[in-house]
Amino acid sequence: SQQGEEDPQALSIQEGENATMNCSYKTSINNLQWYRQNSGRGLVHLILIRSNEREKHSGRLRVTLDTSKKSSSLLITASRAADTASYFCATLFGGSNYKLTFGKGTLLTVNP
Amino acid sequence: EAQVTQNPRYLITVTGKKLTVTCSQNMNHEYMSWYRQDPGLGLRQIYYSMNVEVTDKGDVPEGYKVSRKEKRNFPLILESPSPNQTSLYFCASSFLLTPSGPGANVLTFGAGSRLTVL
Repeated sequence: SQQGEEDPQALSIQEGENATMNCSYKTSINNLQWYRQNSGRGLVHLILIRSNEREKHSGRLRVTLDTSKKSSSLLITASRAADTASYFCATLFGGSNYKLTFGKGTLLTVNP
Repeated sequence: EAQVTQNPRYLITVTGKKLTVTCSQNMNHEYMSWYRQDPGLGLRQIYYSMNVEVTDKGDVPEGYKVSRKEKRNFPLILESPSPNQTSLYFCASSFLLTPSGPGANVLTFGAGSRLTVL
């Protein structure tokens, strides 16, 4: 499967701590995106990083991409209880079929 | 407000009773897609459409049909629902997915439709 895989499956931290989630994938990509989902709701786009980029920042979010290892990480700094959600990586593969493929997600719980 | 609207949000039905889940977007997006989300399996793509009258199968198309007669609408049809189609369904749209172009690949999701087939 081309699906990205997030690690860990679940993460529980205290408010104010940093949270790091990882995503690994199997084939070459054009870009990788991170989405957030509050319980049972629609996914919301957080950040996109292209295959020729190594790092991007957006507010308290920092994403890195290592194409040689086929992996990405999402760092949320100074976490808040409101960051509690599931986080998914999604990869866009090239070729004749442009398709965004999602991983199974990391459930982040931030305890007040 | 830019959005993807799905209806119904919740539905309980019985095996074999045809149903349609509607999806509409107001962002003039070319690309639209349906996903189902099941515990432990993440999001799996059912069907997608690159433009009007252009649709293609995703990873789990069996038991579903779609049509794209208008750019804004992309209904998901379950001709004869079965209990294994009990799931949370999401419609999403974007400008055409291409490897380049700022913002061209970012999906906007609907709020979801929770379907139970008895």
